[in-house]
Amino acid sequence: AQTVTQSQPEMSVQEAETVTLSCTYDTSENNYYLFWYKQPPSRQMILVIRQEAYKQQNATENRFSVNFQKAAKSFSLKISDSQLGDTAMYFCAFMLIRTGANSKLTFGKGITLSVRP
Amino acid sequence: GAGVSQSPSNKVTEKGKDVELRCDPISGHTALYWYRQRLGQGLEFLIYFQGNSAPDKSGLPSDRFSAERTGESVSTLTIQRTQQEDSAVYLCASSLWTSPSYEQYFGPGTRLTVT
Repeated sequence: AQTVTQSQPEMSVQEAETVTLSCTYDTSENNYYLFWYKQPPSRQMILVIRQEAYKQQNATENRFSVNFQKAAKSFSLKISDSQLGDTAMYFCAFMLIRTGANSKLTFGKGITLSVRP
Repeated sequence: GAGVSQSPSNKVTEKGKDVELRCDPISGHTALYWYRQRLGQGLEFLIYFQGNSAPDKSGLPSDRFSAERTGESVSTLTIQRTQQEDSAVYLCASSLWTSPSYEQYFGPGTRLTVT
């Protein structure tokens, strides 16, 4: 079974600064995807960024980038130039890629990020 | 285009009553997932539908929970004899099975409160 751990329940960052959210996971599999989702108060889960485990290059999406350390099973999210609209809960998630697997997402408990003006 | 929709947005029910939650996936999406999110927690997988294949029910917490999906359209999640521990947000997601991105698109969820 796969597990995802987000040990920081809350973080706060000043607007325009950079913040890093931590995530570790545990799996014996080799082929998987990792995701960061954002959940604002509206409850709508929004995909922020995705990383394929077979890719060594870290994924980037505009102000969002990841530090993927496969051997350490670590997958952190860096948000640069934080904006007030980044205030939300952020969830790290794991998806096993295997023939016959159902592509369900396994989520961490999430971290509440507050961006201060 | 239209995203995943869910109804009702909020549901308050008395302990012991049955409830039915509805999910309308994105048109053309063959895969559909139900997740449960308890207060302050991450999402827990409940059930998965893929086309006409048998659903994966491995995440359902008890036999009070069931779900149906007709073809590649609407899905309903039914909770019988609700208990207070069933209070949570129930989220539905759909995806294109053949999509290499495997992205799941989520609905806004139904907040269920059992009193």
